[in-house]
Amino acid sequence: DVKVTQSSRYLVKRTGEKVFLECVQDMDHENMFWYRQDPGLGLRLIYFSYDVKMKEKGDIPEGYSVSREKKERFSLILESASTNQTSMYLCASSSLTVINEKLFFGSGTQLSVL
Amino acid sequence: QQQVKQSPQSLIVQKGGISIINCAYENTAFDYFPWYQQFPGKGPALLIAIRPDVSEKKEGRFTISFNKSAKQFSLHIMDSQPGDSATYFCAASIIQGAQKLVFGQGTRLTINP
Repeated sequence: DVKVTQSSRYLVKRTGEKVFLECVQDMDHENMFWYRQDPGLGLRLIYFSYDVKMKEKGDIPEGYSVSREKKERFSLILESASTNQTSMYLCASSSLTVINEKLFFGSGTQLSVL
Repeated sequence: QQQVKQSPQSLIVQKGGISIINCAYENTAFDYFPWYQQFPGKGPALLIAIRPDVSEKKEGRFTISFNKSAKQFSLHIMDSQPGDSATYFCAASIIQGAQKLVFGQGTRLTINP
């Protein structure tokens, strides 16, 4: 069974902390994505990566950075967490070689910044 | 800028009824339109998708209707069941590239027994 695993289901951090959200996929997918989900706003793309060490900004990259040192792992980093980054964070992966390949999502990390 | 606008935000339908969720897009370069279904505590999962070369696609009780001239597409759920209660997201993307989907705002669907 294919899987995208996010390291934490719930996370509580304080303002100013550096936060790492980890995501691992076992499907050998080239593409990996980080979205945030907020009520009334849907899913918004933060960053994506189509290869190891490659990254591209999505629609809302401000305040975030990413790291992809291995094909199966994609990390989202909040350098200095702020309260407006309280949200549900979803990681996803897909194949680059299959046209219209669906996104496989993890179950999400609910981050609260106090 | 919301490139894909989805309505309604929430919808309540009686069991056996038809659920209809609508989406409109702005970017005429979009050429792939999927719908994702999300249950509480889970990530979204692909439900059904359509390309703009057809006006309708049906998979079981789920149908996408597509109107290219109006830049609109909709999801119809026939004979809605309580198990269909979930949040539904429409999305759009350009096929060339890394499937950078632009999602709508989401619709929370509740099917009353």
